[in-house]
Amino acid sequence: SQELEQSPQSLIVQEGKNLTINCTSSKTLYGLYWYKQKYGEGLIFLMMLQKGGEEKSHEKITAKLDEKKQQSSLHITASQPSHAGIYLCGADKDSSYKLIFGSGTRLLVRP
Amino acid sequence: DTAVSQTPKYLVTQMGNDKSIKCEQNLGHDTMYWYKQDSKKFLKIMFSYNNKELIINETVPNRFSPKSPDKAHLNLHINSLELGDSAVYFCASSQGMYTGTSHYNEQFFGPGTRLTVL
Repeated sequence: SQELEQSPQSLIVQEGKNLTINCTSSKTLYGLYWYKQKYGEGLIFLMMLQKGGEEKSHEKITAKLDEKKQQSSLHITASQPSHAGIYLCGADKDSSYKLIFGSGTRLLVRP
Repeated sequence: DTAVSQTPKYLVTQMGNDKSIKCEQNLGHDTMYWYKQDSKKFLKIMFSYNNKELIINETVPNRFSPKSPDKAHLNLHINSLELGDSAVYFCASSQGMYTGTSHYNEQFFGPGTRLTVL
């Protein structure tokens, strides 16, 4: 069955530093979604990638999907304390409505 | 305006009790979901309804029973609560589109219901 692995599991960075979170799939990704979860709250949709080589940006967050569509990375530039939270990647499982999620990456940004 | 809302936000109850969690979405979506997030923050789908029809039913104890009175509501009823049911339960909705090889299933999540079974 398809699984998503995220790395690192947790990350502590100093404010202003850049960071990257990775999401790797055992199978080709049909749709890759990045979500952010603030501690104790629900998930907030960040962006979605579909095509191999696709890259999207929103403010200081950039997500890429590799050409083989089996790995995605989320890059945050000049991190701020407001970026802290849990970042989850999710993927469409075949053509069903089911999303499977990675185990998440906990990010803490120190002021 | 809240897109996906859940009630209650917190639920503390004794083992063996029966409880319900309610979810409503005002986005006009056809599909709604229930997810369980365990203590390690691993998020796993439980059920999904599309236009009031059950389309996803993962390996979940039959003590859990979803009900969708209309496509804007999806409730979760849990019988005979056990300690292992303690988790955060998230409701979500989407208007998924699948055309050939193109998938688009952005899901909007509710704020979650933290269930604690004592």
